[in-house]
Amino acid sequence: DVKVTQSSRYLVKRTGEKVFLECVQDMDHENMFWYRQDPGLGLRLIYFSYDVKMKEKGDIPEGYSVSREKKERFSLILESASTNQTSMYLCASSLAGANTDTQYFGPGTRLTVL
Amino acid sequence: AQSVAQPEDQVNVAEGNPLTVKCTYSVSGNPYLFWYVQYPNRGLQFLLKYITGDNLVKGSYGFEAEFNKSQTSFHLKKPSALVSDSALYFCAVRDGQRSGGYQKVTFGTGTKLQVIP
Repeated sequence: DVKVTQSSRYLVKRTGEKVFLECVQDMDHENMFWYRQDPGLGLRLIYFSYDVKMKEKGDIPEGYSVSREKKERFSLILESASTNQTSMYLCASSLAGANTDTQYFGPGTRLTVL
Repeated sequence: AQSVAQPEDQVNVAEGNPLTVKCTYSVSGNPYLFWYVQYPNRGLQFLLKYITGDNLVKGSYGFEAEFNKSQTSFHLKKPSALVSDSALYFCAVRDGQRSGGYQKVTFGTGTKLQVIP
C-alpha cells in the first residue's frame, strides 16, 4: 500500500527558529512536493523535486528551502520561521512520466509559529 | 496560466440525496482533471481523474465526475450522499498538451461538503 509519512503532525516553534519538516515515501516515486494549505487559499505549491538533489520552485518559495539527498526523503526547511508561516504543510509524491499525475499525500504537519 | 474555480465554499445535502460539488477550469491545452478528498485531520486522497475518453469518470467511494468541455466544468457527483462523505473536496487541473518535465498541477480552494443525517 502506498504510504507517505511526515515527521510530525503538530509542531510549535518560535519566531526566528530554524524548522525542519521531513517527508518519507515508500513507493519509489521520482516526484515529491511540498504544499501549504490555508483556508480560502487551497493548496499552494512551495517546492517540488523530480529527482535526487534536483528541485524547482513552486508558487510560493520565499522563506523556504528544500533538500532531497535520497529518493525517498524530501525535507522542507524554514530558515527563520515567521508567524505568517503558520499553516498546514502537506507533502506528496508521484511517479514521473505522462499520465502519472496522481499524487499521494502525507497526513500533514500543522505548524504554529509564535 | 491554468486555474481552477470551486464557486461554493460549502455544500449542504441531506443524507440519501444526490450531491454535486462544482468545479470549472481554465487551461490552454487539453485538461487533465482530478478530484481529491480530505477527511478531517488527514492528508488528501485521490478520488478520480479525467485524461481522455468517456466524459463520465467513475472513482472511489461511489463518486463520479462529468467532464463538459463546452462549459469547462468537471463537477463531482454522487447519487446518494452518506454522512461519511462529509469532507473537504479539491478539484485540480493540469495542462495535458504540454510535455517534458513536470507539469504543475493547480488545485482549487476546496469545497466543504456537509451531509446532514
